[in-house]
Amino acid sequence: DVKVTQSSRYLVKRTGEKVFLECVQDMDHENMFWYRQDPGLGLRLIYFSYDVKMKEKGDIPEGYSVSREKKERFSLILESASTNQTSMYLCASSASSGTVNTEAFFGQGTRLTVV
Amino acid sequence: KNQVEQSPQSLIILEGKNCTLQCNYTVSPFSNLRWYKQDTGRGPVSLTIMTFSENTKSNGRYTATLDADTKQSSLHITASQLSDSASYICVPGGGATNKLIFGTGTLLAVQP
Repeated sequence: DVKVTQSSRYLVKRTGEKVFLECVQDMDHENMFWYRQDPGLGLRLIYFSYDVKMKEKGDIPEGYSVSREKKERFSLILESASTNQTSMYLCASSASSGTVNTEAFFGQGTRLTVV
Repeated sequence: KNQVEQSPQSLIILEGKNCTLQCNYTVSPFSNLRWYKQDTGRGPVSLTIMTFSENTKSNGRYTATLDADTKQSSLHITASQLSDSASYICVPGGGATNKLIFGTGTLLAVQP
């Protein structure tokens, strides 16, 4: 059974803290994604990685950075957490193939609250 | 800029009734379109994918249609069940990138 695992289900951090959200997939997928989801705004892409050490900015990268040192792991970093980064964070992975829009598999999400 | 618009934003129907959700997109070039279902508190799960040459595709009580000329897709749910309560999101794909852009979704509530 395919699996994308996020390190925490719920997280509470203080303003100004450095926050790491970890994501691991066991499907040998090339592509990995970080989204945030807020009510009424849907899933918004923060960063996308199509290979180890490769990354591409999504629609809302400000205030975030990512790291992909190994194929199975994609980390999202909030350098200095702010209250407007309180959100649900979803990690996903997908395979690269001859076609685009291969199925994305999602983790269970991390509900981050910054106080 | 590639965009995806879904309507309605939210919908309430009675159990057993049918409903149709709409997706308009401006992705270009266009290759295919995928519908996801997202249950509350969980990540989205793929329901179906349609290539530009397909007009209709069914997956149980879910039927997706695609009109690549007008850049519209719909998801029809037949004989709704309480478990259909979820957010339904369309994701058009195209070009050389595997970067996925999700629509804002339609939130469906099925009431007994």
